[in-house]
This record gives sequence, C-alpha cells and structure tokens, in this order.
Amino acid sequence: ILNVEQSPQSLHVQEGDSTNFTCSFPSSNFYALHWYRWETAKSPEALFVMTLNGDEKKKGRISATLNTKEGYSYLYIKGSQPEDSATYLCARGGTSYGKLTFGQGTILTVHP
Amino acid sequence: DAMVIQNPRYQVTQFGKPVTLSCSQTLNHNVMYWYQQKSSQAPKLLFHYYDKDFNNEADTPDNFQSRRPNTSFCFLDIRSPGLGDAAMYLCATSLRQESSYEQYFGPGTRLTVT
Repeated sequence: ILNVEQSPQSLHVQEGDSTNFTCSFPSSNFYALHWYRWETAKSPEALFVMTLNGDEKKKGRISATLNTKEGYSYLYIKGSQPEDSATYLCARGGTSYGKLTFGQGTILTVHP
Repeated sequence: DAMVIQNPRYQVTQFGKPVTLSCSQTLNHNVMYWYQQKSSQAPKLLFHYYDKDFNNEADTPDNFQSRRPNTSFCFLDIRSPGLGDAAMYLCATSLRQESSYEQYFGPGTRLTVT
C-alpha cells in the first residue's frame, strides 16, 4: 500500500446498528495514526491519535484499534445514532514532524 | 472557547485574481498548517509553519504562498487562481511539530474560481 486508503467510501446504516470502517496505510516508517470526525459545516474534530501497535482507544460508543505491522486501523461505532452522521477521516503520520497523509474518508449516514 | 477560526467561510474569486484566505487561533499553538481538499479527495498538506519557520511541501505549486505575521494568524495567498484551485482550504494547528500530536482544525474556506 502506497497511500492511505479508507473503506467503504460511504455507508448507510439504521439507528441502533453497529458499524465499522477500515483505514489501510503503509506500515513502513510509521509514526502515528489519527482519526477525525467531520460533520457538515463544522471543523474536523480529533477522535483518536494512536502510536503503538495493538493500541485500542475508546470514546463513548466509538472505539479504534491499530495494527502497525500490517498497516490497518479499524474504527467501530456501537449503536449508531443520527448525530454520528459525518465523514470519518484517518491520517497517517510517517515522520516525526507533523505531516499527516489523509485518506479520502468514509461518509457515514445514520437513518432514524 | 479556544479555537481555530477561518475567514471567510466561502470565497468566490475570478480566474487570475489574487485571493487571500485567513486563519487565526486562540490556542497559542506554535505549529500551523494549510491543507487543500478537492472534491471527493483526501485533504493534502500544502505547507506548515513551526513558529516562524516556513516548510513548503515539495509538490505545492509556486502559485500558493503563506504568511504568518504572529503566533495567532496565518494567511494563504493564491497569486493567480486557476479553475483547478477551487477546493476546500483547511487550516490546522498543533502544539508541537510531531505527527503524534493532535491537530485542531478550523471549519475551512470553500473557494470557488469563476
């Protein structure tokens, strides 16, 4: 993998469903993996920053895991709510300085 | 609340007419970034400032310039906008120049070139 890739590109779920999406990234020279949530007309908001292989982080109903050896991270949302509707971006830091390489994002729509 | 502010939120400019986008922050962060996001693409870093030190990405066109007169403000100047420069421009800040540090984003400026 040469770039940061996210799948699926878009996802429609019903309220109450649990869902997950994937971020794949080059595993060489890995430094950090970020997840952001970007609601329409608002600022992208940081969810997690992960650096260690095997890291798992949780914030409310949202959690994320990291596998730096194989180059992927999963984001899970348990019991999706309409307010979870947003674009979820992941970004890889491949050097010590703050450059992030973003994926295209997964657009999540949660239907009431 | 401490935040990152971008003005204007929407900017329309004519082909070839210089335009300046503004970013300010109340977080007192020493690093500021400018990203460009074209429709359905990933945000792409254009350049960043670490304090007053300017760091340009190798593939950022010369048409794009930046100024940081003080800690709080950073400007993106597009000298001669082309139709291909229409995009969302995001400003972000972080406390340190390390990719393990969280970046704080503004809401973006959507630029239209006519």
